Amino acid sequence: QKEVEQNSGPLSVPEGAIASLNCTYSDRGSQSFFWYRQYSGKSPELIMSIYSNGDKEDGRFTAQLNKASQYVSLLIRDSQPSDSATYLCAGPTNAGGTSYGKLTFGQGTILTVHP
Amino acid sequence: DTGVSQDPRHKITKRGQNVTFRCDPISEHNRLYWYRQTLGQGPEFLTYFQNEAQLEKSRLLSDRFSAERPKGSFSTLEIQRTEQGDSAMYLCASSRDYLAKNIQYFGAGTRLSVL
Repeated sequence: QKEVEQNSGPLSVPEGAIASLNCTYSDRGSQSFFWYRQYSGKSPELIMSIYSNGDKEDGRFTAQLNKASQYVSLLIRDSQPSDSATYLCAGPTNAGGTSYGKLTFGQGTILTVHP
Repeated sequence: DTGVSQDPRHKITKRGQNVTFRCDPISEHNRLYWYRQTLGQGPEFLTYFQNEAQLEKSRLLSDRFSAERPKGSFSTLEIQRTEQGDSAMYLCASSRDYLAKNIQYFGAGTRLSVL
């Protein structure tokens, strides 16, 4: 089992809809997760971080963490064509909840928002 | 805060040649990371530094790869005797210490093509 796994997508949603991106992880001790957005040919850009169970909202983005189910998600409300990108989920590797070193990334989900 | 800077942005080399990449982290960040990303995959961890100390190296990092951060500021990644399989985007990221929850910010990357 991969340490961080994303549903492979690609995901296509109409403009204005909610896009839902999902990620599961294997290390029960992991306590911090990050969502990065990556446009084609560009480097990853941090959009959300989450450390506690529950929801964290920032503008149109909501990150959700469920440690019991080892599940992280990202919701994008009122999706715009400019949101079209690859979304990467990342968490600490073999952290046991105490290490703040390297990140393990999922393979990414390609999101397309069509007008 | 000028962000993480990487140089060069693109490098084309012939198989068997040596290449060196440079990364300048965000000025107050003491942690520096190198990742490699191939098409359709998330970034894979290579190595990281805290100040000038190299704290961890991935098993992916063969003996042909070496990284340095001599004064705890910029870092270099050298690949000796390049192979076609080394073709990838090499990403550098930096973060403050663990008290800042290890939020990593990425540079624009160096795209390596080995012919």
